[in-house]
Formats: sequence, C-alpha cells, structure tokens
Amino acid sequence: GNSVTQMEGPVTLSEEAFLTINCTYTATGYPSLFWYVQYPGEGLQLLLKATKADDKGSNKGFEATYRKETTSFHLEKGSVQVSDSAVYFCALSDLNRGSTLGRLYFGRGTQLTVWP
Amino acid sequence: SQTIHQWPATLVQPVGSPLSLECTVEGTSNPNLYWYRQAAGRGLQLLFYSVGIGQISSEVPQNLSASRPQDRQFILSSKKLLLSDSGFYLCAWSVGPYQETQYFGPGTRLLVL
Repeated sequence: GNSVTQMEGPVTLSEEAFLTINCTYTATGYPSLFWYVQYPGEGLQLLLKATKADDKGSNKGFEATYRKETTSFHLEKGSVQVSDSAVYFCALSDLNRGSTLGRLYFGRGTQLTVWP
Repeated sequence: SQTIHQWPATLVQPVGSPLSLECTVEGTSNPNLYWYRQAAGRGLQLLFYSVGIGQISSEVPQNLSASRPQDRQFILSSKKLLLSDSGFYLCAWSVGPYQETQYFGPGTRLLVL
C-alpha cells in the first residue's frame, strides 16, 4: 500500500541554520510527491511538489528532489527564518494507480521551531 | 481566483450532540471535494471525497457522514458525536480528472466534551 514516513519532530533551529526534514515513501507505481506547510491555527498550504523522478520542487527558498532510487523526498532550506516555524507534511498522490482522482497520503508532520 | 471557506472556525460540542460542518468553494466549477481529519499529534486522515453532486465516497467507516447538496458545497455531519471525534477538520478541493494537487481550507477545530 501507499504510505509516507517523516522524521519525528520537533525540530528546533536557530535563525539562518540549515534545515533538512527527511521523508521517505512506499507506493505502487510512480506517485507525485508534495510538501505542505501548516502555520499555527491555519489550514494546509501547498509548499512544493514534484511529479516524476529527479524533478526538483522549489518555493520560498525550500527545495526537495524526487529520488526514486531511495524513495525519498527530503525537504531542505539553506537559511531558515523565524517565520518558517510551522508543521511540515510530506504527502504522495496515488493518481497514477489508474484512477482519475488522486488520493493524498500524508506523513505525520514535523514541527519546526526557529528561534531568533 | 479560487477560495475555500469553512465554518465554523471553532466548535465545542457535548458528547451525543449532532454535528454539521460546512465547506464551500468559490471561483471554480465541478471541483473534487475532500474532508480530512487531523487528530492531536497525528497526521491527516482522508474521511470522504466527492467528484460531483450527490456522489460521496467514504474512506473510513465511522459515525460521520458527508453530503454534497450543491456543486461547490460539501457538508460533514454526525447524528451523535463521540469523544474520539475531536480534532481539526480540513476541507480540500481539486479540479478535474488527473489533477492531483489539492488546496485546503482554513479548517474547523472541534472539541467534543
């Protein structure tokens, strides 16, 4: 079946530190991969996505590369800011399973806190 | 541009009471609609999805139900709430077949006492 595993949090960093949040997945076929971010008290926002192997998604200084050989989609940012404090969710879509409607499978989320 | 609304934002209900959460989407037609639940300390769980008016698919059997009375309206209901129904309920939409990116609403925080 489909599943996503994220590194357990919380992650606490100082401003301008380098961020990595690990994400690995299990899926049949070739899923698309996503990172969503949830700021305190809000819904989820799409941060970035990649639809095929070796694609790199990027947005707001965050990057993640779709690695088929290691079934991973790790999120990175070179210099975090206090405003990046949020919960980050890795997810995959099973659209390529032959249906016309993709279901999203989420990891448990990783809480990131950035201190000034 | 498309927007998604959910209400209420916060709800405190006693065990055994009914529930009705509403989600509406603006700026698009015939969206796919989804209900997710986020329990404390856990990830998101897909509860229901709908590809059109009156078409509801359930992912997890429970005491919740969903309805889609209009194209851009999705309602989550319960006749009798349980303590375990507490959580953060998120509505999401996507457009058309083969469109896998989902966009989420602001959520409703439900506390059952």
